[in-house]
Amino acid sequence: AQKVTQAQTEISVVEKEDVTLDCVYETRDTTYYLFWYKQPPSGELVFLIRRNSFDEQNEISGRYSWNFQKSTSSFNFTITASQVVDSAVYFCALRGASGTYKYIFGTGTRLKVLA
Amino acid sequence: NAGVMQNPRHLVRRRGQEARLRCSPMKGHSHVYWYRQLPEEGLKFMVYLQKENIIDESGMPKERFSAEFPKEGPSILRIQQVVRGDSAAYFCASGTEQETQYFGPGTRLLVL
Repeated sequence: AQKVTQAQTEISVVEKEDVTLDCVYETRDTTYYLFWYKQPPSGELVFLIRRNSFDEQNEISGRYSWNFQKSTSSFNFTITASQVVDSAVYFCALRGASGTYKYIFGTGTRLKVLA
Repeated sequence: NAGVMQNPRHLVRRRGQEARLRCSPMKGHSHVYWYRQLPEEGLKFMVYLQKENIIDESGMPKERFSAEFPKEGPSILRIQQVVRGDSAAYFCASGTEQETQYFGPGTRLLVL
């Protein structure tokens, strides 16, 4: 069975602090994809990143970075120098490389960045 | 290139009425997924459709819920005889087999 765990329900930080959102996944697939989405208060889902299971290179995009470690089945997301606009719920998701390609979402982490 | 479109954005129904949610995928996408997000929860997969075919409906409640994706027109998620527990945000996503799914803005259903 596939599963995604985001153990942090809610995190509060002060603006300009760095923050890491944890994501741990379970799958028996040898090939799979991992995703992060942002859901701001307006409610839409904003795609942030997709990572293939065979590519363990970490990625940086501006203030965002992702650390993929197959050995610990984790795909953590770090925001550097957080801003109030980063306040949102962040979801990690897993998708197999075969079958119906449905996403398995974690329960989300609510990030509050205080001014 | 227009994104995934969903309408209505907000829908209010009384218990026992029917709710119809529509989703138009991105141009060139032939796969549509529906997900439900209950208040303060993550998204749960409901159904996966390709044109005129239901591929996987393992997440659909057994009764009152149905989905279609006709040859022409949007995908429709239909909920008959709605109950208060159906109140949720319903998201549609589209993609191709190898691509990321892109989500629509969602339809917020409120059952009174």
